[in-house]
Amino acid sequence: GAVVSQHPSRVICKSGTSVKIECRSLDFQATTMFWYRQFPKQSLMLMATSNEGSKATYEQGVEKDKFLINHASLTLSTLTVTSAHPEDSSFYICSAKSGGSSYEQYFGPGTRLTVT
Amino acid sequence: SQQGEEDPQALSIQEGENATMNCSYKTSINNLQWYRQNSGRGLVHLILIRSNEREKHSGRLRVTLDTSKKSSSLLITASRAADTASYFCATDGGGGFKTIFGAGTRLFVKA
Repeated sequence: GAVVSQHPSRVICKSGTSVKIECRSLDFQATTMFWYRQFPKQSLMLMATSNEGSKATYEQGVEKDKFLINHASLTLSTLTVTSAHPEDSSFYICSAKSGGSSYEQYFGPGTRLTVT
Repeated sequence: SQQGEEDPQALSIQEGENATMNCSYKTSINNLQWYRQNSGRGLVHLILIRSNEREKHSGRLRVTLDTSKKSSSLLITASRAADTASYFCATDGGGGFKTIFGAGTRLFVKA
């Protein structure tokens, strides 16, 4: 099946710094990518939908200036957590769709962000 | 809220027993999917059931869908310790574009 990778898998950063997380579709072109965050023992909350070459669509309550999303190519989307705070510590998961009428959505392995 | 509800929130059973998890959602849908997540890991897609289907099987998994009640169930038969994980239902919210996850059920299978 299709493979989506995320890098890094774990990152620890200090408060006030920015962190970039990459999401790549390895063997297909992803016209749409999604970013989720997941707090411990909770479900996945959709943060934003990213279409290649256009601005991301953010869900209600998600600060677009804090969570910068760039979908520069059909195989890469990045999420940058700017001026990170401890409350941003979470598990971030991306997923990708190949477009068309396909319901198939492929998930990355997730990135554990810890802000100290 | 983005999320539908799932019950139970947590389930502990003995190996060999069956595990049933339920999911309710809020909007009309085109399809509903079930995913599994091991602790701290990504999601594994288990099964997709379309809105015009009532039941679907895949190995030890059986999924039912009742669109009139906006609910679905996942049955895992003859559970194994390796089935220990969190299980989430997810719907397309009717639009078919984005995936909305339920709250999840944490299943623990004791050997």
